[in-house]
Amino acid sequence: DAGVTQSPTHLIKTRGQQVTLRCSPKSGHDTVSWYQQALGQGPQFIFQYYEEEERQRGNFPDRFSGHQFPNYSSELNVNALLLGDSALYLCASSLEGTGSVYFGPGTRLTVT
Amino acid sequence: GENVEQHPSTLSVQEGDSAVIKCTYSDSASNYFPWYKQELGKRPQLIIDIRSNVGEKKDQRIAVTLNKTAKHFSLHITETQPEDSAVYFCAASKGYREYQLIWGAGTKLIIKP
Repeated sequence: DAGVTQSPTHLIKTRGQQVTLRCSPKSGHDTVSWYQQALGQGPQFIFQYYEEEERQRGNFPDRFSGHQFPNYSSELNVNALLLGDSALYLCASSLEGTGSVYFGPGTRLTVT
Repeated sequence: GENVEQHPSTLSVQEGDSAVIKCTYSDSASNYFPWYKQELGKRPQLIIDIRSNVGEKKDQRIAVTLNKTAKHFSLHITETQPEDSAVYFCAASKGYREYQLIWGAGTKLIIKP
């Protein structure tokens, strides 16, 4: 049973560039959430996707956008990167109605 | 909105002793309380969770207690081992359809040999 997978593992970008991160949920899961985790801090909720729509959104600017595909996989896009966007980006999946969330290994994004 | 406070920020215990981490939440409608363990450079992993219709849940050396009246919940680790060293996060959310985990700031647990 495959867990949550993310790609790439690490990424280095320059300020102003755009980045796309990818996530495949745990088998059987239909809900995907994205989190940003800065060093030494807890994860901060970015948004959640269910049935290919953004269902909830945290306190993040519109530069952060996403998508969910029919196979439940998801992408996180960040435009006009800032130095402060450097963080570990975690994808989490769950099955609607259960609440239990499982995290992927994360993508470490460094913006220079 | 919901706010989750977690204490202490750092906890150092002797191997074999017990460790207790406490969290308080503000929204009385919250009904799901998971605990995550995050080792350095790794993903948060769900170690135990509790729902509001239960007061206590145990899984081997780990237990979680919930006091809905006081709006706080705690993680208890007994017979601590070196591999328990990690950052532990508590979280709270309400509902199962529309949920958003609100996280505590984390507790760095250090197990001294």
